Amino acid sequence: NAGVTQTPKFQVLKTGQSMTLQCAQDMNHEYMSWYRQDPGMGLRLIHYSVGAGITDQGEVPNGYNVSRSTTEDFPLRLLSAAPSQTSVYFCASSPRRGGFNEQFFGPGTRLTVL
Amino acid sequence: AQSVTQLGSHVSVSEGALVLLRCNYSSSVPPYLFWYVQYPNQGLQLLLKYTTGATLVKGINGFEAEFKKSETSFHLTKPSAHMSDAAEYFCAVRLRLEADSNYQLIWGAGTKLIIKP
Repeated sequence: NAGVTQTPKFQVLKTGQSMTLQCAQDMNHEYMSWYRQDPGMGLRLIHYSVGAGITDQGEVPNGYNVSRSTTEDFPLRLLSAAPSQTSVYFCASSPRRGGFNEQFFGPGTRLTVL
Repeated sequence: AQSVTQLGSHVSVSEGALVLLRCNYSSSVPPYLFWYVQYPNQGLQLLLKYTTGATLVKGINGFEAEFKKSETSFHLTKPSAHMSDAAEYFCAVRLRLEADSNYQLIWGAGTKLIIKP
């Protein structure tokens, strides 16, 4: 199993550009989440999904969109990038049974917005 | 509001010394509790977890943590630090934020463990 994969590893955007961060998992997990990690702030939940076709907002959803058309994939879209979105983004998945009994993380995408 | 507090953004110990990383949470119901570790430039991985049962839980790499309900704490310890333990450690609590809502993980801000030779 590859686990949770994320692409790209690094990205530099200009203010106003849009892009999609990709996340895929091959463990047949129903729960998937996107977090951003900023120094001294831990992980903050952006959006999450409890299954294909179902998404919900987390703590910091503004400026981001998600969709979940398949169990495997959970892309995160930045609609119009802003410098405040400079961060490290992590995707995570979790089997639904037990609800967040353990999360499996991808390696992260380091995003810089100029 | 539900919260997780990790005392100390940086903790420095000598190699071979006791490691103690503190985590306190606020919750009105018994939570599930987790410690995750993040090595430089990597994602997070589960170190250990408490769900139910024995309050002293053992994890990978010689770490353990004790759930103390009366103190609302879940501190992480290791008897003897090794250079390879240098990493950032995150405490997390699984809660329902509202009665009928999905579970959420609430994260602490993280503690960077520095090991002195």
